[in-house]
Amino acid sequence: KQEVTQIPAALSVPEGENLVLNCSFTDSAIYNLQWFRQDPGKGLTSLLLIQSSQREQTSGRLNASLDKSSGRSTLYIAASQPGDSATYLCAVERQGGSEKLVFGKGTKLTVNP
Amino acid sequence: GAGVSQTPSNKVTEKGKYVELRCDPISGHTALYWYRQSLGQGPEFLIYFQGTGAADDSGLPNDRFFAVRPEGSVSTLKIQRTERGDSAVYLCASSLTVSPGELFFGEGSRLTVL
Repeated sequence: KQEVTQIPAALSVPEGENLVLNCSFTDSAIYNLQWFRQDPGKGLTSLLLIQSSQREQTSGRLNASLDKSSGRSTLYIAASQPGDSATYLCAVERQGGSEKLVFGKGTKLTVNP
Repeated sequence: GAGVSQTPSNKVTEKGKYVELRCDPISGHTALYWYRQSLGQGPEFLIYFQGTGAADDSGLPNDRFFAVRPEGSVSTLKIQRTERGDSAVYLCASSLTVSPGELFFGEGSRLTVL
């Protein structure tokens, strides 16, 4: 059974700092990995999707990497801003395109002005 | 609509009652998903529709839970004989294509069973 773990559970940083969020998964037979953002009381917003054949994806100040063989992904946020404060969730889809995402519990990020 | 719409946004019910939660996906999106998120947890998969048919309902926790999408657009998640453990936020998502299409989530329906 696929399990996704995210550490740390919570992170508080001053504005402007670069930071890394970690995600690990137990079964390396994945189809893709996605990072989502969730604001309090809201749904999820897709940030980056990495296919299993890819090593990384970038969008603006965000960069996500994937090391499938070791079961790890990182989300790097450059020059953090208070508006980045949210919970960041990692999710993997099983190889074979099952359409079913397995999520971690998330990392709650607070960026202090 | 511009995004995925879910109603009601909040529902408080008593144990044993029947509940329906509605999801209106983005127009033209053929794939529709239901997830359940408990406090402090990540979302858990419930069911996935491709068109009108449930392509994968393996995440439904028991036979009290049922979902339909009769015309391939709006979906309703139905919960019978609700229990306190059913309390959670029920999230709906849609995508234009099958995986790896980008998922668009609604804001969820928060269900509280007293």
